[in-house]
Amino acid sequence: ETGVTQTPRHLVMGMTNKKSLKCEQHLGHNAMYWYKQSAKKPLELMFVYSLEERVENNSVPSRFSPECPNSSHLFLHLHTLQPEDSALYLCASSQGWTSGGQETQYFGPGTRLLVL
Amino acid sequence: GQNIDQPTEMTATEGAIVQINCTYQTSGFNGLFWYQQHAGEAPTFLSYNVLDGLEEKGRFSSFLSRSKGYSYLLLKELQMKDSASYLCAVRDQASGTYKYIFGTGTRLKVLA
Repeated sequence: ETGVTQTPRHLVMGMTNKKSLKCEQHLGHNAMYWYKQSAKKPLELMFVYSLEERVENNSVPSRFSPECPNSSHLFLHLHTLQPEDSALYLCASSQGWTSGGQETQYFGPGTRLLVL
Repeated sequence: GQNIDQPTEMTATEGAIVQINCTYQTSGFNGLFWYQQHAGEAPTFLSYNVLDGLEEKGRFSSFLSRSKGYSYLLLKELQMKDSASYLCAVRDQASGTYKYIFGTGTRLKVLA
């Protein structure tokens, strides 16, 4: 138990569906992240939020839309996804941008997404 | 560009020592992390290096050489539960914010 929870753990959706992934951290952290993990590929950083402001968007298609209403919650809204978007989506949090800080990331268990 | 290389798979025997290497190329190196990820679970933090040298934590040690762009994770007295993927990740600060770049992970199988 890392202090970061994600729901749902598994999701199957059609290409025309709209769904949302939820992440919640109970660690008092100020930075939150979305990653995509596909088989045999490195973890890909998608979005970074620091103090609820998006500070990084790694050229992610617009069919993925993040939302960070407060420092404890992070959402990833999904619409008109493609089969190649099937992957494990991991949320992580860290303490926040502190100069020289270790900034260890703590990961949630992930949402296994299958797009049909 | 930014790149991280680590072996795809390794096999070792229970009780042995194994070294997992990681080489990286980044423009704004700001620390290197090792994570362990069991199948179907979240990556969990193992170690952090930002200065050259060896960091030891029980059975696990991590080494960094910034001039060579090289790190390794050393696992001693291997146990069956150490079978997992080990992810090397570099934090880059070239663009003014932190960016974390991960390798593909090394899948370690520990045999009885």
